[in-house]
Amino acid sequence: KNEVEQSPQNLTAQEGEFITINCSYSVGISALHWLQQHPGGGIVSLFMLSSGKKKHGRLIATINIQEKHSSLHITASHPRDSAVYICAVRWGGSEKLVFGKGTKLTVNP
Amino acid sequence: GAVVSQHPSWVICKSGTSVKIECRSLDFQATTMFWYRQFPKQSLMLMATSNEGSKATYEQGVEKDKFLINHASLTLSTLTVTSAHPEDSSFYICSAFPIQGRNTEAFFGQGTRLTVV
Repeated sequence: KNEVEQSPQNLTAQEGEFITINCSYSVGISALHWLQQHPGGGIVSLFMLSSGKKKHGRLIATINIQEKHSSLHITASHPRDSAVYICAVRWGGSEKLVFGKGTKLTVNP
Repeated sequence: GAVVSQHPSWVICKSGTSVKIECRSLDFQATTMFWYRQFPKQSLMLMATSNEGSKATYEQGVEKDKFLINHASLTLSTLTVTSAHPEDSSFYICSAFPIQGRNTEAFFGQGTRLTVV
């Protein structure tokens, strides 16, 4: 069964802290996506990874294909980073996404 | 960047009526669009894959006669919830990948919060 596990489920941090969210998957993938979902429900794509590391502003995403593991890091966290962060993967040539359950991040001022 | 527009963003309807949700790719073409449903505090679940010019592919457990999908052009897919019931109340969201290049980011609509009363 193709599964995506995220941890932690909930995360509370103080403004300025370094945040790490983890994602593990059960079988080899073609791509992994990190998504951000705000309270209203809208979803924004943050990264798509198939190997290595990507950085965008204060966000960094890494993936280890051998270990079937990815991490999303947020440096110098800010209250506006509060959202649900979702890991989603694609297998083979499919465009279907399978989602993790999400990590609810709350950053307090 | 690429934009997917979903409309309406929220709708309240009476039990037994039908509701249509539109998903448009504004600046790219997509032969395939995906419809997801999300219940409170749960993860997104794929309902169906909308294929331009052909029948949609439904996931196991999703009633194709209740959730009608039409993908009439390369930029528009619609989901119609027929004879809606309170248990259909949920957050529905579509996504699409541009035709060019399979290894691209996924683009999502804003989502539609459906409440059936």
